[in-house]
Amino acid sequence: EDQVTQSPEALRLQEGESSSLNCSYTVSGLRGLFWYRQDPGKGPEFLFTLYSAGEEKEKERLKATLTKKESFLHITAPKPEDSATYLCAVFLSYNTDKLIFGTGTRLQVFP
Amino acid sequence: DAGVIQSPRHEVTEMGQEVTLRCKPISGHNSLFWYRQTMMRGLELLIYFNNNVPIDDSGMPEDRFSAKMPNASFSTLKIQPSEPRDSAVYFCASSHYAGVEQFFGPGTRLTVL
Repeated sequence: EDQVTQSPEALRLQEGESSSLNCSYTVSGLRGLFWYRQDPGKGPEFLFTLYSAGEEKEKERLKATLTKKESFLHITAPKPEDSATYLCAVFLSYNTDKLIFGTGTRLQVFP
Repeated sequence: DAGVIQSPRHEVTEMGQEVTLRCKPISGHNSLFWYRQTMMRGLELLIYFNNNVPIDDSGMPEDRFSAKMPNASFSTLKIQPSEPRDSAVYFCASSHYAGVEQFFGPGTRLTVL
């Protein structure tokens, strides 16, 4: 069965304390992996798309990387405004065009 | 662009009533997706359309749920009759075509009493 697992479920960081979020997947074929940010009461906001192992994307304090089995979202020197739930989703290479989402990592950054 | 528009933003109804959720995708996008989000199950795809045609409705929980897309700028998700276990946040998303990044609307928070 295709699965996407995110860890940790929740992460509390001090402002400036860098860390990484993990998204591991067991799927039959991967066409792409997406990272989203979701703030309370809002819809997920697109961050990155990664298509092949070794690929990296950066945006401000965030950097996403992809291997054959997992993806990491690195947060460098986070600020309180980075507090949100971060979701990853995989896009499968067969059958249909649907995304399978992980359950997310809830990040809280304290000043 | 205004982004994906959903209405209503909040809906409170009683068990057994019909509920209709509405979505206007981003202009020019050819794919539209309906998701449901709960604490227990996270984000689940219910159904998606390509060029107004339903492609995969395997995520629709049961016959009480139906979705339509009569034209490229409008879609509805209907629940009839509604049940308390349908309480969730329902999101609509659109993309240029299936397989690229999807852009989500603000969601409709549904509460069925």
